[in-house]
Amino acid sequence: VHLEESGGGLGQPGGSLRVSCVASGFTFSSYEMNWVRQAPGKGLDWVAAINRGGSSKFYADSVKGRFTVSRDNAKNSFYLQMNSLRADDTAIYFCARAGYTYGQGFDYWGQGILVTVSS
Amino acid sequence: NFMLRQPHSVSESQGKTVTISCTRSGGSIADDYVQWYQQRPGRSPTTLIYEDSRRPSGVPDRFSGSIDSSSNSASLTISGLKAEDEADYFCQSYDNKYWVFGGGTRLTVL
Repeated sequence: VHLEESGGGLGQPGGSLRVSCVASGFTFSSYEMNWVRQAPGKGLDWVAAINRGGSSKFYADSVKGRFTVSRDNAKNSFYLQMNSLRADDTAIYFCARAGYTYGQGFDYWGQGILVTVSS
Repeated sequence: NFMLRQPHSVSESQGKTVTISCTRSGGSIADDYVQWYQQRPGRSPTTLIYEDSRRPSGVPDRFSGSIDSSSNSASLTISGLKAEDEADYFCQSYDNKYWVFGGGTRLTVL
């Protein structure tokens, strides 16, 4: 199992960025996928989840209405579109696979990618 | 929603045993399974415990998890502390489409 994030980088306050995650080594369409972020020197903060087929999406209150999660099972990929960026969105963004049951939590994580929001 | 509260830091000597708590505010700790993750500096988190007390293959039995309904908390116990256990530890649970993490505990091995 391998998850690899891409995209991110520097974004302006009020601007947009997109991060992507490509998965390999498992049947991607069989798993819920999640984004988790970690601000510099801080803890883990769950951001968003998308179900296996992409029909259900869930968001933390802090990003609801600004961020959109999506997936393309044909490309083994999922995405986080971040709009109306704020300075407190600055963080490392990890993609994570939820285990087959909720009790398993997040069983695989990507290496993370840095998103910096600054003018 | 609920919150999970962890001590900011703990420290203990090599070879000893340390316990990290994760207290749930809002609902019962037994309502949803608890997971524990280890994160070493500059690395991604890895699972130590899932379903309150189960260890993934490859995780040493020095790591154990439990829940206590009387204190509404989960605990991660690490026995026979090693220098390599120095890391951040996070608890996690799930509630009705929201995943919740504790604030994390920095373990220092003396």
